[in-house]
Amino acid sequence: AIQLTQSPSSLSASVGDRVTITCRAGQVLSSALAWYQQKPGKPPQLLIYDASTLNSGVPSRFSGSGSGTEFTLTISRLQPEDFATYYCQQFNSYPLTFGGGTLVEIK
Amino acid sequence: QVQLVQSGAEVKKPGASVKVSCKASGGPFRSGAINWVRQAPGQGLEWLGVIIPLIGTPNYAPKFQGRLTIIADESTSAAYMELTSLRSEDTAIYYCARSLLTGGAGLGYWGQGSLVTVSS
Repeated sequence: AIQLTQSPSSLSASVGDRVTITCRAGQVLSSALAWYQQKPGKPPQLLIYDASTLNSGVPSRFSGSGSGTEFTLTISRLQPEDFATYYCQQFNSYPLTFGGGTLVEIK
Repeated sequence: QVQLVQSGAEVKKPGASVKVSCKASGGPFRSGAINWVRQAPGQGLEWLGVIIPLIGTPNYAPKFQGRLTIIADESTSAAYMELTSLRSEDTAIYYCARSLLTGGAGLGYWGQGSLVTVSS
């Protein structure tokens, strides 16, 4: 199985900050990677698919980049509603796997 | 708009089985990949398996081989996940999630989740 390592596992940031989360894969994924946001008590919501394509309805402050084994999710200007946990998921091969998650907290 | 509605919470004893349903509406059922993902209390997301109704053959995470069965019923646009030989570590919220209508690597639609509690 392809292991995904997210870093950091948690971070504290202020409203308006630029935030970057990294997802490193144990092998090459091409662009078969997605990013999700999850808030407590809710199912995950898809933010980015195919590594860099913004899902419909997702604010443009979210962006994804990367290819191969290293991918990043960037929030350009953190908003109060962005405090949540973020996960990456690879679709390169079965079994599909998720990263361990990154908790974004208010500083 | 695709909607996935799951069955309700279940409480099971160790060794028992649980079956969770996921009814889809608002999109083509046959061509979508229905995935099952779980989340133990305070933990991250774990992928269990997937079925594409058009193909019919499910794919399971090795950890669950032999204990997990995923099926799809095209007549009712519903998918089902059955997990047997339950243990306390299987206590989790179980989600179904569908691939995007336009294709692409991502699960664009999620059910509300079904809490399964395994306790003696």
